[in-house]
Amino acid sequence: QQQVKQSPQSLIVQKGGISIINCAYENTAFDYFPWYQQFPGKGPALLIAIRPDVSEKKEGRFTISFNKSAKQFSLHIMDSQPGDSATYFCAANWGGSQGNLIFGKGTKLSVKP
Amino acid sequence: DAGVIQSPRHEVTEMGQEVTLRCKPISGHDYLFWYRQTMMRGLELLIYFNNNVPIDDSGMPEDRFSAKMPNASFSTLKIQPSEPRDSAVYFCASSSTGFGYTFGSGTRLTVV
Repeated sequence: QQQVKQSPQSLIVQKGGISIINCAYENTAFDYFPWYQQFPGKGPALLIAIRPDVSEKKEGRFTISFNKSAKQFSLHIMDSQPGDSATYFCAANWGGSQGNLIFGKGTKLSVKP
Repeated sequence: DAGVIQSPRHEVTEMGQEVTLRCKPISGHDYLFWYRQTMMRGLELLIYFNNNVPIDDSGMPEDRFSAKMPNASFSTLKIQPSEPRDSAVYFCASSSTGFGYTFGSGTRLTVV
């Protein structure tokens, strides 16, 4: 119930292509779904987040799509660039826990020039 | 703002030794989290504090692990005695709302 399942584990995309990373959850009490980006030797950094009252949120080339009925959400990176090569983590939380963010296992994205 | 500051960046120690990891959260943030990252288990929450008070330590693996937050600007994670399976990257993160976390750069711990 507390898990967030993320796929794929790794992803290779050509420069200019679309990168898609998927996550699924079971706990319907989750009400906050962030994505974090991590470069080697650095800590994860908040990239974009969504709440379940909207189905999509876009920030620049990054879009979260959210499907409440399917309990799934995904990250789309449009026009992927080599600088986007990093590990991406989805996560989920609920207000009652006040801080216990549950992370997916991560997706290592490589964007080839 | 200097962000979340962790020290040391790297620590190599022998099995059985005591290890202390340090964290300075962002000023004004009232939540502080300690995470451990490994290839096998990903990011695991060890413990988190709210207003310097430990709220949930259910992720602390064993009694060998302890964490303190004596004031709003400092926290420590101690492992005593350390074991090779404790080798991992330990992250500290802070937040002002409990949702948008800012992570430090981590401490890479190697226990030989």
